[in-house]
Amino acid sequence: RKEVEQDPGPFNVPEGATVAFNCTYSNSASQSFFWYRQDCRKEPKLLMSVYSSGNEDGRFTAQLNRASQYISLLIRDSKLSDSATYLCVVRWSGNTGKLIFGQGTTLQVKP
Amino acid sequence: EAGVTQFPSHSVIEKGQTVTLRCDPISGHDNLYWYRRVMGKEIKFLLHFVKESKQDESGMPNNRFLAERTGGTYSTLKVQPAELEDSGVYFCASSQLNNSPLHFGNGTRLTVT
Repeated sequence: RKEVEQDPGPFNVPEGATVAFNCTYSNSASQSFFWYRQDCRKEPKLLMSVYSSGNEDGRFTAQLNRASQYISLLIRDSKLSDSATYLCVVRWSGNTGKLIFGQGTTLQVKP
Repeated sequence: EAGVTQFPSHSVIEKGQTVTLRCDPISGHDNLYWYRRVMGKEIKFLLHFVKESKQDESGMPNNRFLAERTGGTYSTLKVQPAELEDSGVYFCASSQLNNSPLHFGNGTRLTVT
């Protein structure tokens, strides 16, 4: 079983749609959780951290369910510029800060 | 503030040759990480420096890979001799604290033929 699992997609949605990505992680001792965004042939960039209480940043909402070891990202009112690969990333507790990446979910927003 | 910079951006070498990748972290960031993404796979951790010390090198694939961070500033990752399966994108990242978000460089795309 992969340490962080995501549906690779691709998710093809029209502009304005709401889309949700899910992610599960295997290590119950995981400490911190993030969503990164990676554009084609670019480096990963932090989109948002994910907190236990859930958090929102504009059109983006992240949720964490520690009991189910499940993380989600909701994008409302999709824009063409949201097209990218979204990486679910976990940091385990007690380690040196290294991140464990999921394979990524590809989103393509169509006009 | 300058971001994490990596050099070269691309490298094409033949099997058996040596390649050295360089990473300049954000100034003041003690934590420096190397990651790699091979085709079709997830980004995987290679190793972590705190200043000049190797904190965790559990992700290094084998002894053909050598990472250094002399003086605790920039880091190099040398592959010698390179094999076909070493092809991929090598990312460097840095952070101020080991629980801070990581800032990634643009990556070095390595192709071994």
